[in-house]
Amino acid sequence: KQEVTQIPAALSVPEGENLVLNCSFTDSAIYNLQWFRQDPGKGLTSLLLIQSSQREQTSGRLNASLDKSSGRSTLYIAASQPGDSATYLCAVKDNNDMRFGAGTRLTVKP
Amino acid sequence: DVKVTQSSRYLVKRTGEKVFLECVQDMDHENMFWYRQDPGLGLRLIYFSYDVKMKEKGDIPEGYSVSREKKERFSLILESASTNQTSMYLCASVRGRATDIQYFGAGTRLSVL
Repeated sequence: KQEVTQIPAALSVPEGENLVLNCSFTDSAIYNLQWFRQDPGKGLTSLLLIQSSQREQTSGRLNASLDKSSGRSTLYIAASQPGDSATYLCAVKDNNDMRFGAGTRLTVKP
Repeated sequence: DVKVTQSSRYLVKRTGEKVFLECVQDMDHENMFWYRQDPGLGLRLIYFSYDVKMKEKGDIPEGYSVSREKKERFSLILESASTNQTSMYLCASVRGRATDIQYFGAGTRLSVL
């Protein structure tokens, strides 16, 4: 059964820093990996989707990479802003369903 | 833009009540999902549906049922609410292919007293 782990569970950085969030998964037979953002008490907003055949995706200040063979993905956030404060979740889609990590709670301090 | 709408943001119910959570999507997606999210446990899949009148159990279906009479609507039913069903409930939909983006509703925070 696919297991998804996100490290760290929480991260606090000063505004302007570049940062990396990590996601690991146990079964490399995936269709895709998706990064989501969740604000407190809200639903999930999709940030980036990486297909299994891709190695990275970029959207604005966000860059997500995928190394399927090692079961790892990273979300890189450049020049962080207080508005980036949220919980970031990764999820992998395999043959069965979508499995979520527990998330990394990011705080960007002004 | 895809829109997934959950009928209630907050609900407070009594133990033993029958509870209906409604979810509607407007992009003709085949697949719809119900999750619950609890601190420390992440998102857990309750039920999903790949077509009208079709349903499949997820990881934690006990105490829940679902209904999908129309393609755009997927309902989660708590037959007899219990306090351990207090949670955030999230509905999601995806078009059909394994490679598509999954879209989420805003969530329903249910409290069972």
